[in-house]
Amino acid sequence: GDSVTQMEGPVTLSEEAFLTINCTYTATGYPSLFWYVQYPGEGLQLLLKATKADDKGSNKGFEATYRKETTSFHLEKGSVQVSDSAVYFCALTFPGGYQKVTFGTGTKLQVIP
Amino acid sequence: EAQVTQNPRYLITVTGKKLTVTCSQNMNHEYMSWYRQDPGLGLRQIYYSMNVEVTDKGDVPEGYKVSRKEKRNFPLILESPSPNQTSLYFCASSPLGGGDNSPLHFGNGTRLTVT
Repeated sequence: GDSVTQMEGPVTLSEEAFLTINCTYTATGYPSLFWYVQYPGEGLQLLLKATKADDKGSNKGFEATYRKETTSFHLEKGSVQVSDSAVYFCALTFPGGYQKVTFGTGTKLQVIP
Repeated sequence: EAQVTQNPRYLITVTGKKLTVTCSQNMNHEYMSWYRQDPGLGLRQIYYSMNVEVTDKGDVPEGYKVSRKEKRNFPLILESPSPNQTSLYFCASSPLGGGDNSPLHFGNGTRLTVT
């Protein structure tokens, strides 16, 4: 079946450091890929998405590029802030009407001043 | 404000005592779903509904029930809770499924403890 693998956390960074959270997937066909973010005490919210190979999703300074050849969708940010502290989930689904969303296990990011 | 509202936020109960977690959305979404979040396991889908009176099992439905009598509401029912159902639960909705043009909107979660 389809699956998403994320790097284990927690990840602890100093403010203004560069962030990479790795995500790889296994799927038959060509999924759409997402990053969701969960701030403390809240539900998940969509951070960014990419729907086809070589697409780059971006939002709030975060970026991720859909790499079909390596089946990856790594999340990056050039300079993290304390307010970026959250749990980040990589996910995949398939386009076209209802399709199940498969989530990774989540990676907790802690940014210290 | 568009939102998914879950209640209660926190719930402590004892084994075997029936409980209901409510979920309501004000976005007229057709699709609603329940997930549980456990450390190291991420989010796992319990049940989902594609419209009124249409529900189906997700990956971990055992021990749970749902109903969809109205479009906006999708309660999660634990008829006889057990300690292994201690978890953080999320309700989510979207216009269709979670596909590329209709991302999931999540509630703020319900932390359930069963002793």
